[in-house]
Amino acid sequence: NAGVTQTPKFRILKIGQSMTLQCTQDMNHNYMYWYRQDPGMGLKLIYYSVGAGITDKGEVPNGYNVSRSTTEDFPLRLELAAPSQTSVYFCASSYSMWAGNTIYFGEGSWLTVV
Amino acid sequence: KNEVEQSPQNLTAQEGEFITINCSYSVGISALHWLQQHPGGGIVSLFMLSSGKKKHGRLIATINIQEKHSSLHITASHPRDSAVYICAVAWNAGGTSYGKLTFGQGTILTVHP
Repeated sequence: NAGVTQTPKFRILKIGQSMTLQCTQDMNHNYMYWYRQDPGMGLKLIYYSVGAGITDKGEVPNGYNVSRSTTEDFPLRLELAAPSQTSVYFCASSYSMWAGNTIYFGEGSWLTVV
Repeated sequence: KNEVEQSPQNLTAQEGEFITINCSYSVGISALHWLQQHPGGGIVSLFMLSSGKKKHGRLIATINIQEKHSSLHITASHPRDSAVYICAVAWNAGGTSYGKLTFGQGTILTVHP
């Protein structure tokens, strides 16, 4: 099993450009998440999904969009990139959020907006 | 507001020392996770707790539900334990907090040889 795979690893964007961070998992997990990690701060939830076709906003959704057409894939779309979106992005998944279920993270995507 | 606080923020130890990292949270939870993040960024789940105590090798995690507090202990610390340790909680069901994780700010651990 590959676990959680996210791409790209590194990306530099110009202000106003758009891009999609890809995330896929091969563990048949229902729950998937996108987080951002800013220096010295805890991870903040951007969007999450509890199953195919179901998504919801997290703490910091502005400037982002997601879709969940399949169980495996949960892409994060950045529209009109801004310097405030410079961050490290993590995709994660778990079978559920109840006791006994581990959360698995991707390797992270370093995004710089200039 | 549901909050998670970790202490200390930074911790330096000599190889072989016993390490304790603390995590406190504000309201009832369904699960608490301890995560490890190495330089280069990858995050790995160490433990998931809803009650009691778990042990894996030199790592021990405990949780006190009544006191809303968890600790991560590292026995016989080693330089390879140097990493950021993160506490994250899944709040109890209900309202908009259902099923989502809230993270502490992390504890930076450095173990010197």
